[in-house]
Amino acid sequence: SQQGEEDPQALSIQEGENATMNCSYKTSINNLQWYRQNSGRGLVHLILIRSNEREKHSGRLRVTLDTSKKSSSLLITASRAADTASYFCATDPYLGANSKLTFGKGITLSVRP
Amino acid sequence: ETGVTQSPTHLIKTRGQQVTLRCSSQSGHNTVSWYQQALGQGPQFIFQYYREEENGRGNFPPRFSGLQFPNYSSELNVNALELDDSALYLCASQQGVRSYEQYFGPGTRLTVT
Repeated sequence: SQQGEEDPQALSIQEGENATMNCSYKTSINNLQWYRQNSGRGLVHLILIRSNEREKHSGRLRVTLDTSKKSSSLLITASRAADTASYFCATDPYLGANSKLTFGKGITLSVRP
Repeated sequence: ETGVTQSPTHLIKTRGQQVTLRCSSQSGHNTVSWYQQALGQGPQFIFQYYREEENGRGNFPPRFSGLQFPNYSSELNVNALELDDSALYLCASQQGVRSYEQYFGPGTRLTVT
């Protein structure tokens, strides 16, 4: 089953604009991660935010986490055509000694040049 | 480049056949997870291996089985292939089960006809 639910399902923006993607989840988490996937290839880890963190930055990426609402958002600032990809949020419950990811269905981002 | 490799890249099999997919982990990573990604969906966790032992399994039938070798490379075996097994199969390695970040390979695209 998929815990994360991203929205919107698809997003089309102009180069230079900001892209905001949202993710909601259902159960308790240890951390939440965002991944990127180009054209059905492997996933690339973008950023991780722990359950005790509220905001994190990495380059043009900004992620927030609200554990009371069980939601996260990923902001990509000053988007580029090369940012065109599918983006997934993944939750990690970290129960005991296990660390396993549950992914959402993903958001398709298209950045028009 | 994540340092995780998978083979083959593409594979076409007939319903009822058996298939073996291979994954070579990033150097030093002793944990590998396998995921199935159907078209338009997020990756679904199949199972994880840690130091050659299965360390958790998702909601997949027993005809999905795996192995991890002493050098931490891994195999995913699927018996009695069904049409619904057509998907992108991804492996991901990490350093220890408590390591948060997973490094994904490029995937194997399996088509069952």
